[in-house]
Amino acid sequence: EAQVTQNPRYLITVTGKKLTVTCSQNMNHEYMSWYRQDPGLGLRQIYYSMNVEVTDKGDVPEGYKVSRKEKRNFPLILESPSPNQTSLYFCASSLWGSGEGYTFGSGTRLTVV
Amino acid sequence: SQQGEEDPQALSIQEGENATMNCSYKTSINNLQWYRQNSGRGLVHLILIRSNEREKHSGRLRVTLDTSKKSSSLLITASRAADTASYFCATDASDNAGNMLTFGGGTRLMVKP
Repeated sequence: EAQVTQNPRYLITVTGKKLTVTCSQNMNHEYMSWYRQDPGLGLRQIYYSMNVEVTDKGDVPEGYKVSRKEKRNFPLILESPSPNQTSLYFCASSLWGSGEGYTFGSGTRLTVV
Repeated sequence: SQQGEEDPQALSIQEGENATMNCSYKTSINNLQWYRQNSGRGLVHLILIRSNEREKHSGRLRVTLDTSKKSSSLLITASRAADTASYFCATDASDNAGNMLTFGGGTRLMVKP
């Protein structure tokens, strides 16, 4: 089944403790992206990647890192999480330049205390 | 930054009725997409309409696009309780080098049985 898989689904952590949210897709998509969703603010793009080793900032990249060493994986790294990063995170992928819709993961609900 | 703005923010109808949601955006686009999100879950791509198209159908969904007014509408006919969800428009803007979708704030649709 074609899908984007995020892990973990839920995560509670403490301020300053580094964490990684994994994202993997099995559709051979070049393009992958991370969004965060917050009440009243909608979905905002954090980082995106157009292919292996090519990443760029979205609208809200501060406090986040990403890497794209393999086509299928696009992990989101929070080096020193803070409470304002408490949010619902989504990974998405698509065929770059195809104009087709994005395939989203099921989401990771992160709470930083 | 939010490119699209949905209207209304919330909509409550009876099963069997039609639901219409509107989306306005600010810049020129390559295409406009509609997504559905069940509470706290990942977004699901519904339909994509390109900038040179005016209307598109998919099952009970009908999407229109008016590029002169920078607006789109999503019509769900003969609604069902299972259509209860949030619906988002997303624009793929012409000046994007990174295939970046920008989402609106969403319309929360409730269909009462």
